[in-house]
Amino acid sequence: GEDVEQSLFLSVREGDSSVINCTYTDSSSTYLYWYKQEPGAGLQLLTYIFSNMDMKQDQRLTVLLNKKDKHLSLRIADTQTGDSAIYFCAEKEGNAGKSTFGDGTTLTVKP
Amino acid sequence: SAVISQKPSRDICQRGTSLTIQCQVDSQVTMMFWYRQQPGQSLTLIATANQGSEATYESGFVIDKFPISRPNLTFSTLTVSNMSPEDSSIYLCSASLAGTGDGNTIYFGEGSWLTVV
Repeated sequence: GEDVEQSLFLSVREGDSSVINCTYTDSSSTYLYWYKQEPGAGLQLLTYIFSNMDMKQDQRLTVLLNKKDKHLSLRIADTQTGDSAIYFCAEKEGNAGKSTFGDGTTLTVKP
Repeated sequence: SAVISQKPSRDICQRGTSLTIQCQVDSQVTMMFWYRQQPGQSLTLIATANQGSEATYESGFVIDKFPISRPNLTFSTLTVSNMSPEDSSIYLCSASLAGTGDGNTIYFGEGSWLTVV
């Protein structure tokens, strides 16, 4: 079945850039998502990218997609302590509604 | 966009009892899903809630344990039956706006945090 993998932990200093990486196996993935989960909260959709795109930028967030290598990354510029959370990568195939999630990357931002 | 509300947000339940979680979306959606997130883990899809028909369950999940209803395009319930401590999890409702102007975005509720004692 589909598999999505992420590194589990990332620690950065406030003001630095954070890069969270994700790999997936399903070549039919059409949409790839990044979600943020803060402690005690549900999932917040940060951004998503369609598979025919290489890059998408939204304020401090930049998503890069290498479809050939099935590699997705999320870059957070000028990382703040409020960015500390778990970040989940997810993929969805076509019009199928269900998504497959990675295990999440815990981002810790140190002052 | 869509706003998804879940009730209860948190509950402590006795072993052997059942609890029904409600999920309300503020707009009509084509697809609704129920996920489980066990402590410190990622999300696992329980089932797809189909409007007007039986839910489609993923491997490892059965209707007797997790009965699901979806009477209309904005509402669904998930029941966790005969609970044991292993059922202590966050249960998340999600909805897809596929087929509407908001394409393939998938939204999540805030989750229902269940602790079984």
